[in-house]
Amino acid sequence: RKEVEQDPGPFNVPEGATVAFNCTYSNSASQSFFWYRQDCRKEPKLLMSVYSSGNEDGRFTAQLNRASQYISLLIRDSKLSDSATYLCVVLSGYNFNKFYFGSGTKLNVKP
Amino acid sequence: DGGITQSPKYLFRKEGQNVTLSCEQNLNHDAMYWYRQDPGQGLRLIYYSQIVNDFQKGDIAEGYSVSREKKESFPLTVTSAQKNPTAFYLCASSRGQGAAEAFFGQGTRLTVV
Repeated sequence: RKEVEQDPGPFNVPEGATVAFNCTYSNSASQSFFWYRQDCRKEPKLLMSVYSSGNEDGRFTAQLNRASQYISLLIRDSKLSDSATYLCVVLSGYNFNKFYFGSGTKLNVKP
Repeated sequence: DGGITQSPKYLFRKEGQNVTLSCEQNLNHDAMYWYRQDPGQGLRLIYYSQIVNDFQKGDIAEGYSVSREKKESFPLTVTSAQKNPTAFYLCASSRGQGAAEAFFGQGTRLTVV
């Protein structure tokens, strides 16, 4: 079983739409969680960390459900510039020293 | 500006040759990582290092080698034993203190010709 699993998409949405991605992780002892954004042929960049209490940054909201071992990302009022692949990342390992990446969910925002 | 630098950006290798990918960071991070990404796939961990002079195999270490002689540097050698080396290689670093996020270099795109 993969450490982190995501729906690969693509999610094709119109501008202004609200879209949500989910991600599940297998290690219940995982300590830290993140969403990264990756543009085509570029390196991943941190979008936001995910806290137990949930967190919001502008149009983006991330939530963590430890009981069900899933993480979510909600994007409101989608912009064309939001088109990218969104990677779910979990920090696990014996000393919480390994980052495990989901395969990514591709988002296409259309005019 | 602090950051993490990978070089070269593009690299072409003949079959049977070893090549070394450079990764340097000036963020004073303890932990460094090498990942491989194939088209349409996620990142897979090759090697990681939590401290100078120590490193651990990741999930796909066969055919690769690393060294960590300095805190700032974590070079990756792709050896001739790696059967399918054509991929996008990403180096990352973090403070290595549990909750800290990872920062990535711009990547090296390796092609075997």
